[in-house]
Amino acid sequence: SQKIEQNSEALNIQEGKTATLTCNYTNYSPAYLQWYRQDPGRGPVFLLLIRENEKEKRKERLKVTFDTTLKQSLFHITASQPADSATYLCALDDGSARQLTFGSGTQLTVLP
Amino acid sequence: GAGVSQSPSNKVTEKGKDVELRCDPISGHTALYWYRQRLGQGLEFLIYFQGNSAPDKSGLPSDRFSAERTGESVSTLTIQRTQQEDSAVYLCASSQQGVIYGYTFGSGTRLTVV
Repeated sequence: SQKIEQNSEALNIQEGKTATLTCNYTNYSPAYLQWYRQDPGRGPVFLLLIRENEKEKRKERLKVTFDTTLKQSLFHITASQPADSATYLCALDDGSARQLTFGSGTQLTVLP
Repeated sequence: GAGVSQSPSNKVTEKGKDVELRCDPISGHTALYWYRQRLGQGLEFLIYFQGNSAPDKSGLPSDRFSAERTGESVSTLTIQRTQQEDSAVYLCASSQQGVIYGYTFGSGTRLTVV
């Protein structure tokens, strides 16, 4: 069956360090993978999209990698700040480019 | 509009009643999605509208759930004969053209069935 797994439900790191979040999937052949941020009581906010033929994408302090052989995406936040504390969701399509399936998220807490 | 607007933001209903949730997508966004998020869980796909194509209803959990969209504008999600397990946050999102663009989500409707 198809499955999306994100590493550990909660991740705590010290301010200034790099946070690395993992998204693994099985039985998908996605054309796209996306990362979202969700704050309590709010809808998810789109951060980055990476295509299957792209290895890496960057946006300010954010970096995403996509390894279709390992079936894994890594999401990095460098020089993390307490304001980065939120739940981060990965999402991918099933190859149809019609709709996304979301992982259950990783709750990141950046400690001052 | 500036963002995706959902109403009501909160809804408390008695078991067995029908509820209607509304979503106003961003103007010009042809794709519209409904997701459900139970407390502490991930997003569960419900239904997808793309332009004038037939909607993808594959995520609707039962025939008590239905949704409509008028052209490329407002969508309503209707839940008939609500059950306690329907309690969740219902999120609407829109995008320009399917998954190749990021989704813009509304803040959701928190439904509580008592």
